[in-house]
Amino acid sequence: GQQVQQSPASLVLQEGENAELQCNFSSTATQLQWFYQSPGGSLVSLLSNPSGTKHTGRLTSTTVTKERRSSLHISSSQTTDSGTYLCAIERSSGSWQLIFGSGTQLTVMP
Amino acid sequence: DPKIIQKPKYLVAVTGSEKILICEQYLGHNAMYWYRQSAKKPLEFMFSYSYQKLMDNQTASSRFQPQSSKKNHLDLQITALKPDDSATYFCASSQDSLGRNTGQLYFGEGSKLTVL
Repeated sequence: GQQVQQSPASLVLQEGENAELQCNFSSTATQLQWFYQSPGGSLVSLLSNPSGTKHTGRLTSTTVTKERRSSLHISSSQTTDSGTYLCAIERSSGSWQLIFGSGTQLTVMP
Repeated sequence: DPKIIQKPKYLVAVTGSEKILICEQYLGHNAMYWYRQSAKKPLEFMFSYSYQKLMDNQTASSRFQPQSSKKNHLDLQITALKPDDSATYFCASSQDSLGRNTGQLYFGEGSKLTVL
């Protein structure tokens, strides 16, 4: 079945540094999403990027569909960026049945 | 204010008992979902409902039964609880069940279940 692998598993940065998170998936995805999970557990959708490059605020995602990989770049990290970043692809075409990776736990130190 | 309300936030149950997790969304969405996050495992899709009809069930066990009394409600009944059912259960919703390039998926805060 479809699988999603994220790396690194954890990342520690100093405030102001940039972060690069990777997501590799096992089959072609027509929907790829990045989510943020707070230390308290709540989940928020960051952006949807099935292909190409998308920007929102300090976040940039680049997905190369034929290579089955996506990255999430966080620029000028802040302590409030600390949490877990999850990559997810769809289970079946066009639906919200997502398959999630295990996430990258980001810690930004002051 | 949270737009997807899950109750209770925390619950402890004994093996063999039954619990109901409540989920209400106030986003006017037509599709609702349950996901589960066990310790050290990725978030896992369980069910999807669209217009109160079951669209997909990826949960092998019949002990997990979603219940939709209204379009904006999707409760989850779990019977004959086992310690392995311990997890945080997340309710989610979307405008419709076809998410490709449209809208986004919204999650509730989760209900953390511990089965002793």
